[in-house]
Amino acid sequence: GQNIDQPTEMTATEGAIVQINCTYQTSGFNGLFWYQQHAGEAPTFLSYNVLDGLEEKGRFSSFLSRSKGYSYLLLKELQMKDSASYLCAPMDSNYQLIWGAGTKLIIKP
Amino acid sequence: GAVVSQHPSWVICKSGTSVKIECRSLDFQATTMFWYRQFPKQSLMLMATSNEGSKATYEQGVEKDKFLINHASLTLSTLTVTSAHPEDSSFYICSARGGEGNAYEQYFGPGTRLTVT
Repeated sequence: GQNIDQPTEMTATEGAIVQINCTYQTSGFNGLFWYQQHAGEAPTFLSYNVLDGLEEKGRFSSFLSRSKGYSYLLLKELQMKDSASYLCAPMDSNYQLIWGAGTKLIIKP
Repeated sequence: GAVVSQHPSWVICKSGTSVKIECRSLDFQATTMFWYRQFPKQSLMLMATSNEGSKATYEQGVEKDKFLINHASLTLSTLTVTSAHPEDSSFYICSARGGEGNAYEQYFGPGTRLTVT
């Protein structure tokens, strides 16, 4: 079956760095997306990895290891507005996104 | 670019009535549109995938006669919840694929919160 494993909830301090891990099992693989979702809102795109390695985009970076079925999202210089759920979504052989419940990130002052 | 709108943003209806939700890609042609449902504190659940001009592909367990999807053009898809019941109350989100850049990225609409009383 297809499965996503992320921590349910994480807490971090404003200005700090946090890493959100994701392991996945899918039928085929065509890349992995990270989305941010604020409460009561739709997801917004953060990053897409299809090859192994680190992709950096401003304060956010995403890493992928296809052989390990593993990805992480790294958030630097945390701001209060970063409090949200972060969704790891690999794409299977049919180019369908597989969604887990996401990680709720709480930022404290 | 790649903006997706949904209308209405929220709706309250009585049990037994039908509700139509519109999803539009405003500045690109959406070759594929997706309809999701999300209950509080749960993951996004894909309901169906639709390609312009063809019938939608429904996920297992989703009643196609209850959730009618029409993808009439490259910029518009509609979801009609027929004979709505309180258990259909949820957050319905559409997404569209086909914008510039990453061909597989899904651009999400702002969602529609449906409450059935």
